[in-house]
Amino acid sequence: EDQVTQSPEALRLQEGESSSLNCSYTVSGLRGLFWYRQDPGKGPEFLFTLYSAGEEKEKERLKATLTKKESFLHITAPKPEDSATYLCAVQGGGSQGNLIFGKGTKLSVKP
Amino acid sequence: GAVVSQHPSWVICKSGTSVKIECRSLDFQATTMFWYRQFPKQSLMLMATSNEGSKATYEQGVEKDKFLINHASLTLSTLTVTSAHPEDSSFYICSARGVITDTQYFGPGTRLTVL
Repeated sequence: EDQVTQSPEALRLQEGESSSLNCSYTVSGLRGLFWYRQDPGKGPEFLFTLYSAGEEKEKERLKATLTKKESFLHITAPKPEDSATYLCAVQGGGSQGNLIFGKGTKLSVKP
Repeated sequence: GAVVSQHPSWVICKSGTSVKIECRSLDFQATTMFWYRQFPKQSLMLMATSNEGSKATYEQGVEKDKFLINHASLTLSTLTVTSAHPEDSSFYICSARGVITDTQYFGPGTRLTVL
């Protein structure tokens, strides 16, 4: 069964304190791993898509990496505006290519 | 690019009435659209998947007669909650996927409150 587990559930950082969020997955035939950011009361905002082990993508203070079993979202020198819930999702080889979401990591960055 | 809109952003209705939510892809053609619901402090739960011009595929446990989905064009899908009850109160989010990419782009969500 396809499954996505994110850790930690919640993370509190001081502004400037770098850290990483983890996404472990099991999926039959990975077609893609996706990272989204969700602010309270809003829909998820697309961040990255990763397709194969070893791939890395960066956007401002965020960097996503992928191995055969997990993905990391590295946050470098975070700012308060980076506070949000970060969702990881995988797309397997099943019908329709639906996304399987993790429960998310709620990140709080204090000034 | 890849903007998805939803309308309305929030709606309050009386028990027993029907509510329609629209999802539009503004700058790309969405061959597939998805409908999710999200309860407080929980992740997204897929309700159904629809391909343009075809009947929607509903996830197990989702009543297709209660949650009517229409995907009549490549830029518009609608979700109608029929005979809504308080337990249908939730945050409904749509997403759209185009032809070229596997990425789903999400709308801003619709907050439904049934009194």
